[in-house]
Amino acid sequence: GAGVSQTPSNKVTEKGKYVELRCDPISGHTALYWYRQSLGQGPEFLIYFQGTGAADDSGLPNDRFFAVRPEGSVSTLKIQRTERGDSAVYLCASSLDPRGSYNEQFFGPGTRLTVL
Amino acid sequence: AQSVTQLGSHVSVSEGALVLLRCNYSSSVPPYLFWYVQYPNQGLQLLLKYTSAATLVKGINGFEAEFKKSETSFHLTKPSAHMSDAAEYFCAVSHSGGSNYKLTFGKGTLLTVNP
Repeated sequence: GAGVSQTPSNKVTEKGKYVELRCDPISGHTALYWYRQSLGQGPEFLIYFQGTGAADDSGLPNDRFFAVRPEGSVSTLKIQRTERGDSAVYLCASSLDPRGSYNEQFFGPGTRLTVL
Repeated sequence: AQSVTQLGSHVSVSEGALVLLRCNYSSSVPPYLFWYVQYPNQGLQLLLKYTSAATLVKGINGFEAEFKKSETSFHLTKPSAHMSDAAEYFCAVSHSGGSNYKLTFGKGTLLTVNP
């Protein structure tokens, strides 16, 4: 079966522009996560969706970052007024419901965002 | 709060030699611990996990790790390195409670395998 897919694989934009990054989770996975991996660092948690709702958005760095999952499947991470410091690889992961017991997170290949 | 420290950003071994990648964690509650591998231009792949069962955990590709609570360590080992093991390895921790989904990663260790 298909794994987690992310589009685009690479995105180059100019400072101040708006970008959207898309994640298609594994079919049947109710949980979806976004992480950000800056150069030389490990991934950092951004947000967790359970179904359509954001159950934990404590990792979003500021209000320029927003994510949605309107139908409980595909998710879009939106970044307004991009800054050079937003340049990173944005990783998406999905899993079965983690509530009650741990379920493995499966990661996509990431979107490399470069802000010039 | 929880954190992970990976000692050594780059480890180089010869093919057939022992692989040892070090990970120390801090956590205020019983942790879940993980090792992930990342090949170039690919997503993270779970190698193994500790979720409070056996302290010696065996994973894929011949890797294993031992949870040592007294040392707050979860080091990754493989008896004999293969060229295909060259990749970046990440140790991660999460809580065993309600926020078990929130992974905190170390900075990673790049493993090079020399012929």
